[in-house]
Amino acid sequence: DADVTQTPRNRITKTGKRIMLECSQTKGHDRMYWYRQDPGLGLRLIYYSFDVKDINKGEISDGYSVSRQAQAKFSLSLESAIPNQTALYFCATSDPSPGTYYNEQFFGPGTRLTVL
Amino acid sequence: TQLLEQSPQFLSIQEGENLTVYCNSSSVFSSLQWYRQEPGEGPVLLVTVVTGGEVKKLKRLTFQFGDARKDSSLHITAAQPGDTGLYLCAGVSNFGNEKLTFGTGTRLTIIP
Repeated sequence: DADVTQTPRNRITKTGKRIMLECSQTKGHDRMYWYRQDPGLGLRLIYYSFDVKDINKGEISDGYSVSRQAQAKFSLSLESAIPNQTALYFCATSDPSPGTYYNEQFFGPGTRLTVL
Repeated sequence: TQLLEQSPQFLSIQEGENLTVYCNSSSVFSSLQWYRQEPGEGPVLLVTVVTGGEVKKLKRLTFQFGDARKDSSLHITAAQPGDTGLYLCAGVSNFGNEKLTFGTGTRLTIIP
């Protein structure tokens, strides 16, 4: 089984609808992230959480909200979806080793969201 | 906002050829990572470079971190169809703050 799972894998919705994307992980990592990917723009950070009680905005948080229900679960919501939120969304986890300056992020398979 | 520009954005070459992908920024990074992403999957880490001037080799892939820690390159020798994918660089800007800034990506296609 995959260590980081995302549901749904694909979703088509209409403008104005509320959408929730879910992420679950079995890696036991404290840190979780939500990114969106658009062609030519790489991955951009939406929100991140360093533990269950810690939620932080990323560079493009407007129009999104998150909930960290448990160490293993981090969900992303679009309260009122709009067409320019059509993108590929990725959840990731990390657990930096003590004394290092960097971390490896482990990504889920992505959710392709289309807003009509 | 820190930016990481990758070039080229698209690259299509014949099997057996060599290629280099570049990742450039005006900002200094404490470390830099390279990821590869295949269709329908999330990115997977290939390597992390930490020291300015550092060179790391992973079989036919050679990664270099610039002396000033603002840029990096990925060189592939004798490219194979299995190298096809989206290559992303990602910089870590601050010690103790391990958020990643991702590059714009290079989509590589190796033609058999």
